[in-house]
Amino acid sequence: DTAVSQTPKYLVTQMGNDKSIKCEQNLGHDTMYWYKQDSKKFLKIMFSYNNKELIINETVPNRFSPKSPDKAHLNLHINSLELGDSAVYFCASSQEGSLRGYTFGSGTRLTVV
Amino acid sequence: QKEVEQDPGPLSVPEGAIVSLNCTYSNSAFQYFMWYRQYSRKGPELLMYTYSSGNKEDGRFTAQVDKSSKYISLFIRDSQPSDSATYLCASARGGADGLTFGKGTHLIIQP
Repeated sequence: DTAVSQTPKYLVTQMGNDKSIKCEQNLGHDTMYWYKQDSKKFLKIMFSYNNKELIINETVPNRFSPKSPDKAHLNLHINSLELGDSAVYFCASSQEGSLRGYTFGSGTRLTVV
Repeated sequence: QKEVEQDPGPLSVPEGAIVSLNCTYSNSAFQYFMWYRQYSRKGPELLMYTYSSGNKEDGRFTAQVDKSSKYISLFIRDSQPSDSATYLCASARGGADGLTFGKGTHLIIQP
């Protein structure tokens, strides 16, 4: 069983479209995250979310919005996709407080054409 | 200055050598320090987790954190070609504010 799973693995879409990426964790963690890895391989936090608060990185455009139907899922919705959104998006989860077992998914490679 | 600095390499060493990977950080509030390994087109895989200063050993891997000098190290003993990957250091204050990563060091172990 994959601990943190993301779908789809690859996503190719046109500029202006709206798309979603799904993430599920079966580790029983209480906090989930979205990260963006750009073409230079730099990983940067976008959002972190637990049942108490959503923390948004101030540099993230408001076209990006996380949606959490329950503790085990955190989906990423992107409106009006732009060429610069092309990147690999990683979901992660951890236990708040200790950050022990901070685990990443295998990534979603998004290409906007 | 970026909060976590890491030399991107590449760093190339012969098989069996001891590898030393390093990062520096600037945020005194960081308490959690991690090393991840990332193979090409894969997600980061947690290698070492350390809270506050000190050493931690796991098999061929040793992580060191010196909070007084804001220096993070990862040592790999008896390096293997399968250790060839990008190694990312990461730090966090705690809570739910996410990890701050270095840019990653690309390590190549030559057979």
